[in-house]
Amino acid sequence: EPEVTQTPSHQVTQMGQEVILRCVPISNHLYFYWYRQILGQKVEFLVSFYNNEISEKSEIFDDQFSVERPDGSNFTLKIRSTKLEDSAMYFCASKGRGAAFFGQGTRLTVV
Amino acid sequence: GESVGLHLPTLSVQEGDNSIINCAYSNSASDYFIWYKQESGKGPQFIIDIRSNMDKRQGQRVTVLLNKTVKHLSLQIAATQPGDSAVYFCARGYNQGGKLIFGQGTELSVKP
Repeated sequence: EPEVTQTPSHQVTQMGQEVILRCVPISNHLYFYWYRQILGQKVEFLVSFYNNEISEKSEIFDDQFSVERPDGSNFTLKIRSTKLEDSAMYFCASKGRGAAFFGQGTRLTVV
Repeated sequence: GESVGLHLPTLSVQEGDNSIINCAYSNSASDYFIWYKQESGKGPQFIIDIRSNMDKRQGQRVTVLLNKTVKHLSLQIAATQPGDSAVYFCARGYNQGGKLIFGQGTELSVKP
């Protein structure tokens, strides 16, 4: 069964450092997303991406965040200068004509 | 504003019983609703969805009911099994590629 894959599963980084979270969406999907989930809380939308550009972003997705689809298969989320409050699970999702499917997530810990 | 909320944060049921997880929403403008299951340390897993012009949809052991009059959504799980233990989220979507708005989640515990 096709699935969304994310790497790494766990990333520990120092405050102020840049991180790149990677995702391989399901191959025939056209819509791509990043969500985050702070421990014990609900899943929050960050950004959606379609036709090689951002289609929508939330207030959380400020200038420190960027997304890229560099090679037609990978979909990355970059946080330029991490803050302690960026610590969370980050989920990539992709969607075709049906529901969005989520990856297993990257646990980002900023210390 | 947009919101999706859940009535109870936890639900405990006996194995074999039916489970009902509820969700309320505040904004009527929505194309569809989805239920996701999230096991510890994993990503949300799609269970079932329902378009806003429908009242009921059935899957394998699951049924989703949508009451637009009272803005209420429910997920019914028949013959609940220990493997059903997880956090269940309702979410709403607005168009083909639009974002999902998630509720807070209900933790379902199944007692053997």
